[in-house]
Amino acid sequence: KAGVTQTPRYLIKTRGQQVTLSCSPISGHRSVSWYQQTPGQGLQFLFEYFSETQRNKGNFPGRFSGRQFSNSRSEMNVSTLELGDSALYLCASSLAPSNTEAFFGQGTRLTVV
Amino acid sequence: EDQVTQSPEALRLQEGESSSLNCSYTVSGLRGLFWYRQDPGKGPEFLFTLYSAGEEKEKERLKATLTKKESFLHITAPKPEDSATYLCAVKVNQAGTALIFGKGTTLSVSS
Repeated sequence: KAGVTQTPRYLIKTRGQQVTLSCSPISGHRSVSWYQQTPGQGLQFLFEYFSETQRNKGNFPGRFSGRQFSNSRSEMNVSTLELGDSALYLCASSLAPSNTEAFFGQGTRLTVV
Repeated sequence: EDQVTQSPEALRLQEGESSSLNCSYTVSGLRGLFWYRQDPGKGPEFLFTLYSAGEEKEKERLKATLTKKESFLHITAPKPEDSATYLCAVKVNQAGTALIFGKGTTLSVSS
């Protein structure tokens, strides 16, 4: 059974640019959550999508957005990149929002220069 | 404010030297407590879910326990391959579907 797939694994972007990250959940999982991991703040919740609808949102600026497609695949977008956006972005999938067990992908390492 | 605190931040053990990692939480309406293992440069790997005080779960050399205020991850006779960062997270009523993570304990086991 394939796990959560995130692409690309690594990205280098320049300040002011925008970036799109992709996440394919485990087959049959319909809920996708995104997290940002940094050495200082640890893992912080960005948002969750279920049935193409954003169900929950963390405390991040509007530059961070996402969407989910009918096949449950999800993308997150960060516009007007700042140096502080450099982080490991992790996607987690679960069967449904009410299902407590979440399984993470390998992450996308974003470096903003 | 819901809060999860893990201690110690780092732990060095000799192979075979058993120990415990602590996760204390101050939350309202706990819906579940989770333990994950994370290797450098990789995503967290799910280990356990605990739902109520008194619950225990085991997997190989790991055993997780839960009380009303904290959880312990006991590591029995660790091996070098157990070296990783162990993360604790909670899901609470007020946060909806979000996991609230502690900062983690980095475990190093030497042979």
